[in-house]
Amino acid sequence: GDSVTQTEGPVTLSEGTSLTVNCSYETKQYPTLFWYVQYPGEGPQLLFKVPKANEKGSNRGFEATYNKEATSFHLQKASVQESDSAVYYCALGERGSALGRLHFGAGTQLIVIP
Amino acid sequence: EAAVTQSPRNKVAVTGGKVTLSCNQTNNHNNMYWYRQDTGHGLRLIHYSYGAGSTEKGDIPDGYKASRPSQENFSLILELATPSQTSVYFCASGEPRHHYAEQFFGPGTRLTVL
Repeated sequence: GDSVTQTEGPVTLSEGTSLTVNCSYETKQYPTLFWYVQYPGEGPQLLFKVPKANEKGSNRGFEATYNKEATSFHLQKASVQESDSAVYYCALGERGSALGRLHFGAGTQLIVIP
Repeated sequence: EAAVTQSPRNKVAVTGGKVTLSCNQTNNHNNMYWYRQDTGHGLRLIHYSYGAGSTEKGDIPDGYKASRPSQENFSLILELATPSQTSVYFCASGEPRHHYAEQFFGPGTRLTVL
């Protein structure tokens, strides 16, 4: 079945340093890929999605490229801020499915120290 | 503003008791979902629905029932709560035809079963 594996957390960084959260997936279909972010006390919210292979998604300084050959979708940010402290989820979505199923990774907690 | 709301936000229950978690969405989405969130497991799908009157089993349905009496409302029912059901529960809505399987999440309910 479909699965997503991502960097195990927590990841602790100082403000101004760069971030990479690795995400790899397994599927027999051609999925849409997502990054969700969850701030303390809130539900997950969409950071960005990429429906097509070899395209890049970005939002709030975060970006990721849909690499179909490597089955990867790594999240990057050049310079993190304390406000980026959150849990980040990589997910794949079933394209064309009436269910609209999302398969989530285990989540990566990011802690940014000022 | 379109939104997914959940009630209660926090709940303490006793073992063997009945618990009902409620979810309301104003997105006018056909699909709704219930997840539980546990450290190391990410978000796991319990039940989902394609519309009023429809409920389907997700990946971990044992010990849970669901009810979808209307387009807007979707409930998760624990008939005989157990301590292993202590978790944070999220409801989500989605319209796969229009949003590439993107889902919109509520703020969550923290359930503690003593």
